Amino acid sequence: DSGVTQTPKHLITATGQRVTLRCSPRSGDLSVYWYQQSLDQGLQFLIQYYNGEERAKGNILERFSAQQFPDLHSELNLSSLELGDSALYFCASSPRAGGYNSPLHFGNGTRLTVT
Amino acid sequence: GESVGLHLPTLSVQEGDNSIINCAYSNSASDYFIWYKQESGKGPQFIIDIRSNMDKRQGQRVTVLLNKTVKHLSLQIAATQPGDSAVYFCAENTPGNDMRFGAGTRLTVKP
Repeated sequence: DSGVTQTPKHLITATGQRVTLRCSPRSGDLSVYWYQQSLDQGLQFLIQYYNGEERAKGNILERFSAQQFPDLHSELNLSSLELGDSALYFCASSPRAGGYNSPLHFGNGTRLTVT
Repeated sequence: GESVGLHLPTLSVQEGDNSIINCAYSNSASDYFIWYKQESGKGPQFIIDIRSNMDKRQGQRVTVLLNKTVKHLSLQIAATQPGDSAVYFCAENTPGNDMRFGAGTRLTVKP
């Protein structure tokens, strides 16, 4: 168990809808990262927050947004959903602002299916 | 652009044999590397890491080798077991940047 909790585990919704994915980092970790993994693909970095502030942005669509709350949990909001947004969404956490010398610890993901 | 990649997308080995999974990276400024194991239905799990001031690091049944000259990283698994069957990702971190992952190699262990 990595200590990172993601909810829900599965989400099925229709095109055009909006969903929110939730992540609770490991106790003591200040950084939260979001990754997208499509079928048999690698992990695509979306966005990172550190202690409530956005720190780095990757290939995140404008339809997607995220935030980190004072209690350090994070939410990833996906709107105007398209079929191609179907994927596994992983949250990871680490103690520091950067990944340097510190591995990320991943949750078990939310599987999003857009129909 | 800079990227992390893997030589082999799939690898099949006999139980008890040693496995070697390779990874090429192109960002010479990367100074921290990690191997992750992802089992079906789970998130990536940290296996072992190595900093750029080292060329070899050993864990329990796993060894990571780093060749900075040719920008190559490998993961060696000794006495491969059925439970080692998974997708293995290498990741690189460059100071000031996010952690980038390779495409992954699927390891299948045959009984």
